Amino acid sequence: AAGVIQSPRHLIKEKRETATLKCYPIPRHDTVYWYQQGPGQDPQFLISFYEKMQSDKGSIPDRFSAQQFSDYHSELNMSSLELGDSALYFCASSLLVNGYTFGSGTRLTVV
Amino acid sequence: AQTVTQSQPEMSVQEAETVTLSCTYDTSESNYYLFWYKQPPSRQMILVIRQEAYKQQNATENRFSVNFQKAAKSFSLKISDSQLGDTAMYFCASHSGGSNYKLTFGKGTLLTVNP
Repeated sequence: AAGVIQSPRHLIKEKRETATLKCYPIPRHDTVYWYQQGPGQDPQFLISFYEKMQSDKGSIPDRFSAQQFSDYHSELNMSSLELGDSALYFCASSLLVNGYTFGSGTRLTVV
Repeated sequence: AQTVTQSQPEMSVQEAETVTLSCTYDTSESNYYLFWYKQPPSRQMILVIRQEAYKQQNATENRFSVNFQKAAKSFSLKISDSQLGDTAMYFCASHSGGSNYKLTFGKGTLLTVNP
């Protein structure tokens, strides 16, 4: 069965650089979610999209933005990176309330 | 807003024995969903079990079962016949049943299965 695909798996950036994370949801899933999991922390909700429109927003810094494209893939853009942005970033997708599935995550390291 | 509390930061169990992980939650929603996720060292987030709040019957998935006490807002996970591969961080999580399905996680319980 198709899963949620995230790329890249690992990313190393320097402070003040920009990073773009990509997420390809399960086909026919209508909602995409982004989560941030810091070292030793639980995942924190960042933002979600339903049918390509932003549906909810969590504790996402103003330096971060995201969008969902016509093919339903989503991108999380992070600018002016800080050391504290180093984390595992998960994307998940669902069809309404069903089939909630996580991708394998992108590990971002800011040096 | 929803909150999820896991009061056991770490637990250990002997292989083949049974262990129960605790979780309590708070919500003002009448319709909501509860989950247990497993996160092994690979950091993959794996769904273990899902419970719909309007269903009184406790969910079961092979060796994994829950004790859902709605009035007490308690949602514990029982792992029977523990295996070495069960060693992982376990997160309890919830989301509402309305139009917003963002997950709220507990702080997690690190479970170690000893041979």
